[in-house]
Amino acid sequence: EPEVTQTPSHQVTQMGQEVILRCVPISNHLYFYWYRQILGQKVEFLVSFYNNEISEKSEIFDDQFSVERPDGSNFTLKIRSTKLEDSAMYFCASTAYNTGELFFGEGSRLTVL
Amino acid sequence: AQSVTQPDIHITVSEGASLELRCNYSYGATPYLFWYVQSPGQGLQLLLKYFSGDTLVQGIKGFEAEFKRSQSSFNLRKPSVHWSDAAEYFCAVANSGNTGKLIFGQGTTLQVKP
Repeated sequence: EPEVTQTPSHQVTQMGQEVILRCVPISNHLYFYWYRQILGQKVEFLVSFYNNEISEKSEIFDDQFSVERPDGSNFTLKIRSTKLEDSAMYFCASTAYNTGELFFGEGSRLTVL
Repeated sequence: AQSVTQPDIHITVSEGASLELRCNYSYGATPYLFWYVQSPGQGLQLLLKYFSGDTLVQGIKGFEAEFKRSQSSFNLRKPSVHWSDAAEYFCAVANSGNTGKLIFGQGTTLQVKP
């Protein structure tokens, strides 16, 4: 069964460092998303991406964040200068159409020290 | 503002017992409603969804949920819980135009006693 894969599963970084989280969405999907879950809090929408551009973003998704689909298969989330409060589980998701079922990856846990 | 509330943070049931997980939403228009499950080390998996029509929807793994507009609720039920159902359950809402932008509840952790 096709699945969304995310790497790394866990990354530890120092505050101020750049981090790139990678996702490989399901191959025929066209809509891509990042969510995050800070420990003990709700899963929150960060950004949606379609047709090689951001279609919507939340207030959380400030200038420190960026997304890219560099090669037609990967979908990346970059945090330019990490803060302690960026520590969270980050989930990638994809779907074939904008009213379809979202398929989530297993998540990448980011720990900022 | 749109929001989802899951009043129960943690529920423990005995294997074979029935289960109901509560979800209340606040949304101006007719919502699209979802239940997701997350087992340890796994991603979020869709259990079921309600878009329109019959207010009782069937999902995978023997789960069902009922949309009650008058109560702004979308409770998840299962008649007989199995040990493998132990997981975290999330209720979510989206608008009709973009079901990828989900608003999640805080989740309910289900523990199953043997």
